[in-house]
Amino acid sequence: DSGVTQTPKHLITATGQRVTLRCSPRSGDLSVYWYQQSLDQGLQFLIQYYNGEERAKGNILERFSAQQFPDLHSELNLSSLELGDSALYFCASSSLTGENEKLFFGSGTQLSVL
Amino acid sequence: AQSVTQLGSHVSVSEGALVLLRCNYSSSVPPYLFWYVQYPNQGLQLLLKYTTGATLVKGINGFEAEFKKSETSFHLTKPSAHMSDAAEYFCAVKPSSGGSNYKLKFGKGTLLTVNP
Repeated sequence: DSGVTQTPKHLITATGQRVTLRCSPRSGDLSVYWYQQSLDQGLQFLIQYYNGEERAKGNILERFSAQQFPDLHSELNLSSLELGDSALYFCASSSLTGENEKLFFGSGTQLSVL
Repeated sequence: AQSVTQLGSHVSVSEGALVLLRCNYSSSVPPYLFWYVQYPNQGLQLLLKYTTGATLVKGINGFEAEFKKSETSFHLTKPSAHMSDAAEYFCAVKPSSGGSNYKLKFGKGTLLTVNP
């Protein structure tokens, strides 16, 4: 158990809809990362938050947004969903920085857009 | 810019046989290199990493990897495969010049199957 909790584990929705994925980092970890894993693209970095502030952006679509709350949990909001958004979405957290930074991954949310 | 190529999306070995998973990287600066493992229905876990120093790196569960700068490779090996090693393995790279893990680039993964 990595200590990172993601809910829900599975989500099935229709095109055009909006969903929210939730992540609770390990106790004390200030950084949260979101990744998208799909068969064709592999594991792609979406966005990072550190102590409530956006730290870095990757291949995140404008239809997607995220935030990190004062209690450090994070939410990833996906709107106007398309079939191609079907993927496994991972959250990871870390506490150290630099060379010793280590990512701890949650078990993911499997999103199916029908 | 950094990138990773994992040779072979699927590798199948017999229990007790050598495991060799190949990873080649491209990096414009000295890299930090990682191997992660993903068991079914779980998130990725760090197996081992190379940052500086000894080029042969030992990780958990008997795995090791060797950084070969001249070959731009970081292949993962284990002398004797266990059934419990069946999982997907990801090689990753990030620049050693600093920066958070948002700069980590993952390969597409290699699925390891272990046959009894």
